[in-house]
Amino acid sequence: AQTVTQSQPEMSVQEAETVTLSCTYDTSENNYYLFWYKQPPSRQMILVIRQEAYKQQNATENRFSVNFQKAAKSFSLKISDSQLGDTAMYFCAFMKPPLYGGSQGNLIFGKGTKLSVKP
Amino acid sequence: NAGVTQTPKFQVLKTGQSMTLQCAQDMNHNSMYWYRQDPGMGLRLIYYSASEGTTDKGEVPNGYNVSRLNKREFSLRLESAAPSQTSVYFCASSDRRAGNTIYFGEGSWLTVV
Repeated sequence: AQTVTQSQPEMSVQEAETVTLSCTYDTSENNYYLFWYKQPPSRQMILVIRQEAYKQQNATENRFSVNFQKAAKSFSLKISDSQLGDTAMYFCAFMKPPLYGGSQGNLIFGKGTKLSVKP
Repeated sequence: NAGVTQTPKFQVLKTGQSMTLQCAQDMNHNSMYWYRQDPGMGLRLIYYSASEGTTDKGEVPNGYNVSRLNKREFSLRLESAAPSQTSVYFCASSDRRAGNTIYFGEGSWLTVV
């Protein structure tokens, strides 16, 4: 069974600085997807970034980028130029690729890292 | 851009009462899901529907039933609510044509007293 571990329950960063959130996972699959979701106080789950395991290039989305190390089963999220609006819970999640015509339907989540951005 | 819409957003139930959480998506996605989130934890899958007409159990299905009414709608029913079902419930959808990313609704806060 797949597991996802986020070893940092809480982190804080000063506004405009850079912070990295850690995530490791365990799987015997060779092909899969990895995601970072953001959950602000409103509790909405917002997709931040995704990575497909077969792609060697690290995904980036504006100020958000990942460091994907497949052999080490590590998937960290870097937030550059942190903003007050980045304050949220961040969840790392793993998904097996869906079967043809359907979906495995199961995102495996870590327990989250609570990030506070301080002015 | 409605995306995934859930109702109700807040509900208080007494132990033993029943209720149905409604979910609809307007993205023409084939797959839909119900997750629950408990304090200090990530989301856990209750049930999913890979396509219209099919449903399957997830990690924590006990105490719940689901109905995939049509391609747009996927409901979650609690037949006899228990305090252990106090949680935040999220409906979600995805599709291979949209890269298999799972998109979530805004959540439904359910308290069972």
